[in-house]
Amino acid sequence: SQKIEQNSEALNIQEGKTATLTCNYTNYSPAYLQWYRQDPGRGPVFLLLIRENEKEKRKERLKVTFDTTLKQSLFHITASQPADSATYLCAPNWGDTGFQKLVFGTGTRLLVSP
Amino acid sequence: GAGVSQSPRYKVAKRGQDVALRCDPISGHVSLFWYQQALGQGPEFLTYFQNEAQLDKSGLPSDRFFAERPEGSVSTLKIQRTQQEDSAVYLCASQPSGVSYNEQFFGPGTRLTVL
Repeated sequence: SQKIEQNSEALNIQEGKTATLTCNYTNYSPAYLQWYRQDPGRGPVFLLLIRENEKEKRKERLKVTFDTTLKQSLFHITASQPADSATYLCAPNWGDTGFQKLVFGTGTRLLVSP
Repeated sequence: GAGVSQSPRYKVAKRGQDVALRCDPISGHVSLFWYQQALGQGPEFLTYFQNEAQLDKSGLPSDRFFAERPEGSVSTLKIQRTQQEDSAVYLCASQPSGVSYNEQFFGPGTRLTVL
């Protein structure tokens, strides 16, 4: 079965720096991959989606890359702010069901210090 | 409200009790999902509805778990004879259609604690 790996250790960075979070998967590439943000006590909130044939996607200070050779997606937050502190979840979808069955990684907690 | 709502937000049950968790999706959303999230883990898929039809229930952990969406809007997740391992946050999400490449909109979750 497919396995998704995100760094379970928290990532601590200084305000203004770029945060880079990693999502690795096994076996064959997903049709697309989504990234979500989750704050304590809340449900995940959608951030970005990148398809298998896309190398990079941007939205404001966010950037997602998708490398099917490395079987990896990287999520970048530039000019990070304390408000960016949250857990970030990657969710690949292999498209092998007729609907969007998300399989989430464990998430990486990001802490941005002022 | 404009978002997905869930009730109750917190539920404490004694082992062996039955519980019912409610999800109100965004109006008009065709697809509805239930996920279970254990502490420190990502959400895990439980079941999926397209309108009133339950198309996938492969993630339900046991036959004690039952979900329904009789009129294609509100959904209820029922857990019978709760066990301590059922303690988790139960998340509901909805999606405008059954087509992929759409984001899912999540509710705040119901935190279930089984004593």
